[in-house]
Amino acid sequence: DTEVTQTPKHLVMGMTNKKSLKCEQHMGHRAMYWYKQKAKKPPELMFVYSYEKLSINESVPSRFSPECPNSSLLNLHLHALQPEDSALYLCASSQDNQRNYGYTFGSGTRLTVV
Amino acid sequence: AQSVTQLGSHVSVSEGALVLLRCNYSSSVPPYLFWYVQYPNQGLQLLLKYTSAATLVKGINGFEAEFKKSETSFHLTKPSAHMSDAAEYFCAVSVYEKLTFGTGTRLTIIP
Repeated sequence: DTEVTQTPKHLVMGMTNKKSLKCEQHMGHRAMYWYKQKAKKPPELMFVYSYEKLSINESVPSRFSPECPNSSLLNLHLHALQPEDSALYLCASSQDNQRNYGYTFGSGTRLTVV
Repeated sequence: AQSVTQLGSHVSVSEGALVLLRCNYSSSVPPYLFWYVQYPNQGLQLLLKYTSAATLVKGINGFEAEFKKSETSFHLTKPSAHMSDAAEYFCAVSVYEKLTFGTGTRLTIIP
């Protein structure tokens, strides 16, 4: 299995809703990442988990809450989002958090906040 | 801090012509460099990476890139463009555990 699987592929939520994005990989990778990509822009790093511990939070608002229950699973909990949070949310994993490994990306969750 | 600059937000080439997408980097430590491709409504796929071994790196789909330290460049090339190459291409630099992307180049193939 050489894939990163993200669910759901599409999500529409109201500003008062609570939802979660899920990311799963079975490649034995020990680093996992959340990126946010706005239309016609490059991906921007949000969070890095290394060996199931949060190692980087790029000053992301608290309405985004990451969770890494185990080495194969990464969640992003969403609460009280704003319309400007609408974007493609990408999950990625790498063998380790060492910088010479390429990342494997999932196909993303396209989030629309109404 | 590290960064990459992609020259040209849009590049158009004729089918069968040479593809050249430009990337220059800035890094305070020896960089590891990557090229990713993104098709519409999809995630990013790794094309190739430079990790301080050979300076000429071959990737998937016939793409290759050459690391030139003197020019701080890592340009992506393909000898003959195919219609299926139309996509967004991102150059990225990795320092420590962060991967930072350039602004991207949209490649259009003219039949």
